[in-house]
Amino acid sequence: DAGITQSPRHKVTETGTPVTLRCHQTENHRYMYWYRQDPGHGLRLIHYSYGVKDTDKGEVSDGYSVSRSKTEDFLLTLESATSSQTSVYFCAISEFNILNTGGSEAFFGQGTRLTVV
Amino acid sequence: GQQLNQSPQSMFIQEGEDVSMNCTSSSIFNTWLWYKQDPGEGPVLLIALYKAGELTSNGRLTAQFGITRKDSFLNISASIPSDVGIYFCAGFINNDMRFGAGTRLTVKP
Repeated sequence: DAGITQSPRHKVTETGTPVTLRCHQTENHRYMYWYRQDPGHGLRLIHYSYGVKDTDKGEVSDGYSVSRSKTEDFLLTLESATSSQTSVYFCAISEFNILNTGGSEAFFGQGTRLTVV
Repeated sequence: GQQLNQSPQSMFIQEGEDVSMNCTSSSIFNTWLWYKQDPGEGPVLLIALYKAGELTSNGRLTAQFGITRKDSFLNISASIPSDVGIYFCAGFINNDMRFGAGTRLTVKP
């Protein structure tokens, strides 16, 4: 398995509270991504990072922010969680930018199941 | 943006049967990918396709890049219980990658 660890694996939080999900990698890959997975939808890109302190928005970035202060860590923050953000969140890493190369080199973490009540 | 329609949404098959699933779009793609997701795990890449008409195998799995570039197919031959999971297609073009909603496969022993 690629060295990707997501934490926590499960979380229940209340509406309006801030939540931070962590993705940690040991592969020293430059690119990191956050996706959400919802029933009836494919994985949707929230934000991605192309280096330390370098991030960009994805398809569904509203309500989310990210930070990457170290190569190995990519944090996803929900500033004020809403019920619509109940989802399974996946982190992915890649050596090359999958948005430029077509995705074949991406490795996914095990996911974080977030429930906002 | 481009939408991927993956079908069927779910399949219940007997061990040993062959499986076919597909992914279609109204837009063209340059790359098609097929992933499998086991319960409680993240997606794992099975097959990548880079050229229209390309047919690629990975063990009992065979995938094809449709000649119109708007579809892709995945076949699993002689299914076994560990084939259970969700199979996702993904299409890539112009710095954009889209995922299908998945086909949930159940294999009955």
